Amino acid sequence: DTGVSQDPRHKITKRGQNVTFRCDPISEHNRLYWYRQTLGQGPEFLTYFQNEAQLEKSRLLSDRFSAERPKGSFSTLEIQRTEQGDSAMYLCATATPVGKETQYFGPGTRLLVL
Amino acid sequence: SQQGEEDPQALSIQEGENATMNCSYKTSINNLQWYRQNSGRGLVHLILIRSNEREKHSGRLRVTLDTSKKSSSLLITASRAADTASYFCATGGAGGTSYGKLTFGQGTILTVHP
Repeated sequence: DTGVSQDPRHKITKRGQNVTFRCDPISEHNRLYWYRQTLGQGPEFLTYFQNEAQLEKSRLLSDRFSAERPKGSFSTLEIQRTEQGDSAMYLCATATPVGKETQYFGPGTRLLVL
Repeated sequence: SQQGEEDPQALSIQEGENATMNCSYKTSINNLQWYRQNSGRGLVHLILIRSNEREKHSGRLRVTLDTSKKSSSLLITASRAADTASYFCATGGAGGTSYGKLTFGQGTILTVHP
């Protein structure tokens, strides 16, 4: 257990529905990342927050995806109008202020879109 | 997009043998990290090597980095059945706007038979 928690751990939804995932970081970690991992592949970067500011978004993050980190604590990732191609593991990782590059990953939320 | 290739894609060995995994990458890096992932779970950080380092040890792990060849290797000595997992290399980009995001390889699936 790294200290990063994600909820839910599993989500099954029908195509077209909206889903929201939550990540709770280690308390002193001001940097928060979202990654997506499909079967047999390594994680791919989606977006980055430093405190409450979203500083970078990948081209993978289409306009159906939105992420927030109110007050610089927990973060949410919402997918609207889900598609079957959104099925993947969504991983959250957090890190201390720049200078220490190790990222601590949560257990992930596995999404299945039917 | 994935940063590079990992080799081999799968490795099967007997307990007590050494396991060597290789990783190649494409762009300039600030650091290279190795992570481990047990089936269906989040990633656990193993070891980090900075771009100005050539070799690093941590317990049964030995990592080498050759920036001229843009490659790294992870050696696990005296492997145990509990080492069975997927292993990923991840590079942290050089430059101030990388924000510490990691670019992962596709991973090596290691199976250690008791």
